[in-house]
Amino acid sequence: KQEVTQIPAALSVPEGENLVLNCSFTDSAIYNLQWFRQDPGKGLTSLLLIQSSQREQTSGRLNASLDKSSGRSTLYIAASQPGDSATYLCAVVLGGSQGNLIFGKGTKLSVKP
Amino acid sequence: DGGITQSPKYLFRKEGQNVTLSCEQNLNHDAMYWYRQDPGQGLRLIYYSQIVNDFQKGDIAEGYSVSREKKESFPLTVTSAQKNPTAFYLCASSILPGQGVNYGYTFGSGTRLTVV
Repeated sequence: KQEVTQIPAALSVPEGENLVLNCSFTDSAIYNLQWFRQDPGKGLTSLLLIQSSQREQTSGRLNASLDKSSGRSTLYIAASQPGDSATYLCAVVLGGSQGNLIFGKGTKLSVKP
Repeated sequence: DGGITQSPKYLFRKEGQNVTLSCEQNLNHDAMYWYRQDPGQGLRLIYYSQIVNDFQKGDIAEGYSVSREKKESFPLTVTSAQKNPTAFYLCASSILPGQGVNYGYTFGSGTRLTVV
């Protein structure tokens, strides 16, 4: 059974720092991997989508990498800002599956001014 | 703008009562999903549907029911058989795997259900 783990569970950094969030998955036969952001009491906002054939995706200050063979993905946030404070969720879709997302429990990020 | 609309934002249920959560999308997506989110547990799949008039149970379907009479709509009913329904419910939609290179999920803003 596919399991997705996110480390750390919580992270607090000063404004301006570069940071890395980690995601690992047990079954490397994934269709794609998606990173989401969730603000308290809100829905999920898609940040980056990486297809299984891709190594990384970039959007603004965000860069996500994917290493299928080792079952790992990282989300790199450059020059963090207080507005980046949120919970970040990693999710994978298994190859050949019905397309259901399997989520990690998230990393709660706090960026202090 | 295309997106997913969930309503209501907050819902209160009395013991023994059935309640229905609405989810509508105008993205022309074939697949729709319902997830439940509890603190410290992450998101868990309740039901999903890939075509009108067909749906499949997810990991925690007991005490829930769904219908898919229209492509745009996928309502979730929380029945009295669900013993611990207090949670945050999220609806999502996507194209089907293989329909395009940008296969990814779009989520609604959620419904918070509380038992009173």
